[in-house]
Amino acid sequence: QKEVEQNSGPLSVPEGAIASLNCTYSDRGSQSFFWYRQYSGKSPELIMFIYSNGDKEDGRFTAQLNKASQYVSLLIRDSQPSDSATYLCAAGSGGSNYKLTFGKGTLLTVNP
Amino acid sequence: SQTIHQWPATLVQPVGSPLSLECTVEGTSNPNLYWYRQAAGRGLQLLFYSVGIGQISSEVPQNLSASRPQDRQFILSSKKLLLSDSGFYLCAWSRLRIEGEQYFGPGTRLTVT
Repeated sequence: QKEVEQNSGPLSVPEGAIASLNCTYSDRGSQSFFWYRQYSGKSPELIMFIYSNGDKEDGRFTAQLNKASQYVSLLIRDSQPSDSATYLCAAGSGGSNYKLTFGKGTLLTVNP
Repeated sequence: SQTIHQWPATLVQPVGSPLSLECTVEGTSNPNLYWYRQAAGRGLQLLFYSVGIGQISSEVPQNLSASRPQDRQFILSSKKLLLSDSGFYLCAWSRLRIEGEQYFGPGTRLTVT
């Protein structure tokens, strides 16, 4: 059973702080990893994807991947109240069946 | 740019009634298409995916079915709804390649009473 594990939270950070969201995955064949943001009552929105070991930065967001440790993280710098949402981590299936495995998400609250 | 539509946005149906949810994608060809369900407090559950017209793979045996009558149209159906079918139904698409990123539609919130 392929699994993606996330701390359900809630993770609470003050405005302006760095929020750190973590994810582990079980399938060593996974090659691609994704972070989605989901506001309450809305559908998930893709915010970052990463394929290679190391860091990938996009604005205030940095995704980090360590395939040896099977660990993915998302850092949000200068956190804003508008970042308050559930963050879903997903891992590609490996192979050719085009599927993603999603974690259950971490609820982030940014306090003004 | 690509756009994905789902309708209806919300639906309240009695137990035992039929269901039909529709999803269409604009601005791309030959997409992979997916149906997910997100129940309250639970993660995303993949129900069906399709890599082409008429090609449907089922992930979870249940009273739901899916069809893909056209390249960019994906339909989720049920002949008789159960209370446990309540949830947030999401359609997603990805480009035709291995492990492509998926993009979600706005979703349909279904309540079975």
